[in-house]
Amino acid sequence: RKEVEQDPGPFNVPEGATVAFNCTYSNSASQSFFWYRQDCRKEPKLLMSVYSSGNEDGRFTAQLNRASQYISLLIRDSKLSDSATYLCVVTISGNTGKLIFGQGTTLQVKP
Amino acid sequence: DGGITQSPKYLFRKEGQNVTLSCEQNLNHDAMYWYRQDPGQGLRLIYYSQIVNDFQKGDIAEGYSVSREKKESFPLTVTSAQKNPTAFYLCASSIPTGTGKVGYTFGSGTRLTVV
Repeated sequence: RKEVEQDPGPFNVPEGATVAFNCTYSNSASQSFFWYRQDCRKEPKLLMSVYSSGNEDGRFTAQLNRASQYISLLIRDSKLSDSATYLCVVTISGNTGKLIFGQGTTLQVKP
Repeated sequence: DGGITQSPKYLFRKEGQNVTLSCEQNLNHDAMYWYRQDPGQGLRLIYYSQIVNDFQKGDIAEGYSVSREKKESFPLTVTSAQKNPTAFYLCASSIPTGTGKVGYTFGSGTRLTVV
């Protein structure tokens, strides 16, 4: 079983739609959680950290459920510019800062 | 401006050759990492270094070697022992983990193709 699992998609949605991605992690010692965005043939860039209380940044909302070991990302009012691959990322407690990546979920927003 | 520079952006290698990918940072970060990404996959850790003159194997270290002689530099050599080296290679650095934070910066990557 992969340490971090995501549905690869692609998710094809119209502009203005609300879309949600889920991610599950297997290691209960997972400590920090992030969503990264990766555009085609580019490096990943941090979209947002994910906190236990849930957090929001504009149209993006991230949730963490430690009991069920899953993380979610909600994008409201999708824009064409949101088209990208979204990577779920965790760190493990005491694991020297290494990031563990899911394979990514691809989002295509269509006009 | 501070950041990480990877070079070259594109690299072509003949089978059986060793090649070295450059990674330089001026962020004063202690920790540096090398990841590999294959199409449709997430990033996998090759090697990492938390301090000068020290480094550890990641999940897929076979066929690769690194050095960390300077804080700013963490070059990766892809040796002929790496059977499937065609991939996108990403270097990253982070603030010391002892701060309790994980602040990563990625380079723009090197795309290696075996011809």
